[in-house]
Formats: sequence, C-alpha cells, structure tokens
Amino acid sequence: ETGVTQTPRHLVMGMTNKKSLKCEQHLGHNAMYWYKQSAKKPLELMFVYSLEERVENNSVPSRFSPECPNSSHLFLHLHTLQPEDSALYLCASSQGQGGSPLHFGNGTRLTVT
Amino acid sequence: DAKTTQPPSMDCAEGRAANLPCNHSTISGNEYVYWYRQIHSQGPQYIIHGLKNNETNEMASLIITEDRKSSTLILPHATLRDTAVYYCIVRVGNFGNEKLTFGTGTRLTIIP
Repeated sequence: ETGVTQTPRHLVMGMTNKKSLKCEQHLGHNAMYWYKQSAKKPLELMFVYSLEERVENNSVPSRFSPECPNSSHLFLHLHTLQPEDSALYLCASSQGQGGSPLHFGNGTRLTVT
Repeated sequence: DAKTTQPPSMDCAEGRAANLPCNHSTISGNEYVYWYRQIHSQGPQYIIHGLKNNETNEMASLIITEDRKSSTLILPHATLRDTAVYYCIVRVGNFGNEKLTFGTGTRLTIIP
C-alpha cells in the first residue's frame, strides 16, 4: 500500500470513447502529478498540480485533460485518444517542499483500440 | 537539469550486497540525489535520497562522493524481491514543485 490509489487498474477504450482516470492520495500531500510510461521509454511528466493549481503542463495534447478538485484527488479525462496513447499512466503525490520525495500509485494500464 | 548515467543492467547473488552506481557529474550544489525502483507492472517506489551526506534507512544506504559527481545505492542483503529497475534521479524544479525526470535506469536481477 503506497498511500496513492489509482482506479481503474486496467482500461480498454475505443478511439471515440470518453473515460476518466482517478487518483486519490491519503498522505496529506499538497502536490500531485500525472506521468505516462510507454513501453521501453522513460517516464514522461504530463501534469503537475501544487495546492490544486496547475503549475506544469509538458505540452500534452488536448485530448488529455486533468482536473484537481482538491489536494487529495486528481483526475485525467480522456477523449478521442489514439492507439499510440496506450501506456501505463501513473499518479504521484508529494509534500511539495524542497527535497520531499514523490510517492506513486500502481498506475492504470490503458489500451486504446 | 543535471543528467544521470547508470549501467543498463546488473546481476547480484541472493544474500549478497547489491551496489548500484550512478554518475551525475553536472549536479548543482542544491540538487538532491533520489533513488526509486520499479517492479514490473507497479508504480515506482521511493527508496532513499540525499544531498551530500551518506544516508541509510530500512531499505538501503546511499553513498555520495565528496565531489557529489557520483553515488552508489547499496542494498545490504539482496533478496529475490529486489529484482527491479532502479532509477537514479537528480531533482529539478523549485520549492513546491517536485518535478523529477526519470532516465532508463538499471535493471537489477537477483540470482538465487
């Protein structure tokens, strides 16, 4: 148990579907992150929220839309995805202070057909 | 951003100490060194981090050279469950924004 829970663990969706990934952290942290991990590639940072405000967006396509309603919850809304978007999507949280480590969930394995 | 260099793979016998090296020759004075590991189909797990002093916790020890240009993660008594990809990362970003950039890591295999 990492203190960061992601649902669902697995998701298969068509290119025209709309779905959402959910992340919840029970660690009292004030920063949350979305990362993407594709096969045989390093983790890619997608979005960063600090105190519920987006502070980083690494040029992610608009078909990915994050939402952070409070410091414990983070969503990633998906629509009209492409097959190359199939990957492991990881959520993380941190205390947001200098030097504090990130704590990751176990991810959502997304397959776009 | 300081970059890190790690060997792509290593083997270690079960019960022995696993020593994983990392080079970060362009590290800045206020950047921390972090170690994470990722077991197949799971999210990365935080192991340890340090600034310039050696650190130890219940999982591992971190040895940072005096010039801070390299470090070594030590798993004192490796078990089969320690088989994973290990990432050495140097922190980037400002206070309140803990952005970590992951490289390709070292795939550590513990041999029975």
